[in-house]
Amino acid sequence: NAGVTQTPKFQVLKTGQSMTLQCAQDMNHNSMYWYRQDPGMGLRLIYYSASEGTTDKGEVPNGYNVSRLNKREFSLRLESAAPSQTSVYFCASSFRNTEAFFGQGTRLTVV
Amino acid sequence: GEDVEQSLFLSVREGDSSVINCTYTDSSSTYLYWYKQEPGAGLQLLTYIFSNMDMKQDQRLTVLLNKKDKHLSLRIADTQTGDSAIYFCAESRENNDMRFGAGTRLTVKP
Repeated sequence: NAGVTQTPKFQVLKTGQSMTLQCAQDMNHNSMYWYRQDPGMGLRLIYYSASEGTTDKGEVPNGYNVSRLNKREFSLRLESAAPSQTSVYFCASSFRNTEAFFGQGTRLTVV
Repeated sequence: GEDVEQSLFLSVREGDSSVINCTYTDSSSTYLYWYKQEPGAGLQLLTYIFSNMDMKQDQRLTVLLNKKDKHLSLRIADTQTGDSAIYFCAESRENNDMRFGAGTRLTVKP
């Protein structure tokens, strides 16, 4: 039982490069989330998807796009990476408002 | 997130009780959660409380909710060195949006 799987685990990008962070869950959850974690600021919600086919902005959506490809997968795209996007990114999923399950995180460095 | 506030650091001695506090702003929150994050790992749910409850106890963990003051606390009895971690308070809202506090880093000294 894999739970929430994120790839890659680590990534270094140059300023201006693009990349997509992948997330998949095998728990048949409706809701999926992308957070970023920065020291002293906790987790901040970037985007979430309450169900397949819907996405909504969270607290810090600027510079990111998301796709809810199907019920299992929710990807996060950085079109033109900036040093301010250096962070640890977590994907999570939940069944409506119940417990959220988290992936192991992606450590992204933009130089 | 700015909607959920918690102090950043707490240090206790092994065997003492730890109390981590949290305030939230959305009175429509249905569930309130405590998550634990160990170094290099994702978050894991410790416990949660439904918004119509005042207290929930689960072994060494006690959650108290004061809905009037929008205050949530987590008490860990007989704190052990293995409890050293970052603890996050979180609220879930009616639109499935889940917001987290900045996390409290608990250090347990032997």
